[in-house]
Amino acid sequence: GAVVSQHPSWVICKSGTSVKIECRSLDFQATTMFWYRQFPKQSLMLMATSNEGSKATYEQGVEKDKFLINHASLTLSTLTVTSAHPEDSSFYICSARAVDTDTQYFGPGTRLTVL
Amino acid sequence: AQSVTQPDIHITVSEGASLELRCNYSYGATPYLFWYVQSPGQGLQLLLKYFSGDTLVQGIKGFEAEFKRSQSSFNLRKPSVHWSDAAEYFCAVGANAGNKLTFGGGTRVLVKP
Repeated sequence: GAVVSQHPSWVICKSGTSVKIECRSLDFQATTMFWYRQFPKQSLMLMATSNEGSKATYEQGVEKDKFLINHASLTLSTLTVTSAHPEDSSFYICSARAVDTDTQYFGPGTRLTVL
Repeated sequence: AQSVTQPDIHITVSEGASLELRCNYSYGATPYLFWYVQSPGQGLQLLLKYFSGDTLVQGIKGFEAEFKRSQSSFNLRKPSVHWSDAAEYFCAVGANAGNKLTFGGGTRVLVKP
């Protein structure tokens, strides 16, 4: 079946540093990837839609300069949290939309803790 | 705007008993509906989905869901729960299978021995 990986699975960083999270579709091509954020004991909230070769589309209230998204290939999208602060601590989950089946597959998530 | 409501935040059920999780949605067009399960610290696993056709949908792990357009509901059921079913369950709606999803608040299921 289709597999989506995320790296790293967890990361701890100091306040003010930047953190990059990778989302890869391992056995399929994805022109579109989605980035979600999940705070503890809460639901998933869509942050942005990442399209290969073009600028990401951000949801209302999500700072595009803080959450940089790059979708450079059909199998890789990256989310960079710039100048991270403790309030950015969250579980970040990506999903990838398979080109051939038009189905969305979720990654295992990345837990970010900002000290 | 689309929205999903899961009225029950927590549900406790005894092992072997039946389980029903409620989901109500608001969507302007024909919805694509999904149920996902999330174990602690893990990503999402798709249990089942509904696009069209038979309104009773069978999924993995013995789960099923019934789409009721008149009630804007998509409730998830399992006849007999196992301890391994303890997890968080999310209902979601989207414009199509591969589009961005709007999730409900989730229902945490606890299974008593």
